[in-house]
Amino acid sequence: EIVLTQSPATLSLSPGDRVSLSCRASQGISSYLAWYQQKPGQAPRLLIYDASNRATGIPARFSGSGSGTDFALTISSLEPEDFAVYYCQQRSNWPFTFGPGTKVDIK
Amino acid sequence: EVQLVESGGGLVQSGGSLRLSCAASGFSFSTSAMHWVRQAPGKGLECVSAINYNGVSTYYANSVKGRFTISRDNSKNTLFLQMGSLRPEDMAVYYCARFSGVAIDYWGQGTLVTVSA
Repeated sequence: EIVLTQSPATLSLSPGDRVSLSCRASQGISSYLAWYQQKPGQAPRLLIYDASNRATGIPARFSGSGSGTDFALTISSLEPEDFAVYYCQQRSNWPFTFGPGTKVDIK
Repeated sequence: EVQLVESGGGLVQSGGSLRLSCAASGFSFSTSAMHWVRQAPGKGLECVSAINYNGVSTYYANSVKGRFTISRDNSKNTLFLQMGSLRPEDMAVYYCARFSGVAIDYWGQGTLVTVSA
């Protein structure tokens, strides 16, 4: 089973800040990585697929990068609605594992 | 509008069984792979089972293999998860989700399964 590690676990930031979230895979997964955002009481929402492709309707301030084992999700300028938990997920091998998440909260 | 509506969650005793359903609409269900993803209270996400578009291929996480069965009825646009030998650690919100081929692009609102010891 491929293990995804996300760091840091929590980030305290202010609106307007730029942030990069890390996701590392225990083995190479090519570009088969997605990023999701989840707010309290809601289902996750797809942000990025195949490492760097924005999903439909996702603002341009969200971008993804990486391949192999190291990936990043960057938010260029945090909006108030971006404070949430972010998960990465790999689809290279079943089970399609998720990382433990990074919580981005308001400083 | 895409809708995935789960039902069947509730309180069950340890060792018991439960059957979850997911009614799909607004997209081509019969050509879509589908997943069940769960989230224990205050915890992260776990992909527990998946099924291909025609039901021929199914996949399970090790944590549920042999206890859960995923199935689908394309004539009724419905996905199922039969859960047996339930354990306290199976307690979670269970999401029905569509897998587009590259990622999960649609999610239901989730149904809560509570397992009492």
